[in-house]
Amino acid sequence: KNEVEQSPQNLTAQEGEFITINCSYSVGISALHWLQQHPGGGIVSLFMLSSGKKKHGRLIATINIQEKHSSLHITASHPRDSAVYICAVNEKLTFGTGTRLTIIP
Amino acid sequence: GAVVSQHPSRVICKSGTSVKIECRSLDFQATTMFWYRQFPKKSLMLMATSNEGSKATYEQGVEKDKFLINHASLTLSTLTVTSAHPEDSSFYICSASPRPGTEAFFGQGTRLTVV
Repeated sequence: KNEVEQSPQNLTAQEGEFITINCSYSVGISALHWLQQHPGGGIVSLFMLSSGKKKHGRLIATINIQEKHSSLHITASHPRDSAVYICAVNEKLTFGTGTRLTIIP
Repeated sequence: GAVVSQHPSRVICKSGTSVKIECRSLDFQATTMFWYRQFPKKSLMLMATSNEGSKATYEQGVEKDKFLINHASLTLSTLTVTSAHPEDSSFYICSASPRPGTEAFFGQGTRLTVV
């Protein structure tokens, strides 16, 4: 069993839909990261959080330390949001398997 | 935000040759950088932690003589894939943070193909 599990693995939605990607982890963490990987491979850090909730534009990330669970939400999804979203924990990043998101116009 | 630059973005090399990949932090100093590897449709895996001025720390199963890491300055770490083999073909990416425990910034990644 991976230390960091994500669900779903693949997600296809219509433009405008509200998107939720989940991340569960089984290890102690100092921080949890949400990353976005584009088709060419480049990775962008979206959030780093250790408690509570963070919001940036249409993206919201939450974490529940007691339940060892985090969610990434995308409101009013757009085709340009199509990418692989990766959850990772701690400074020496341990990565989830990623969620491939496709938003259809 | 902070910028980490990785070069080259793509490289094709012959079996038996060595390839050097550079990772630079452009607007901050990084005493620690990380090198990751990603196989097709697989998750990223940490290969090693690059420490400025000292030896790199390799993860279990990563051959240190195969993947040479040099972190000679506070803004540059290099990964050299020695005696490359087709099995080394992969996507390699580095990351660094301005301070320990802060947001990670990633290089653009290097797609290595060994023929």
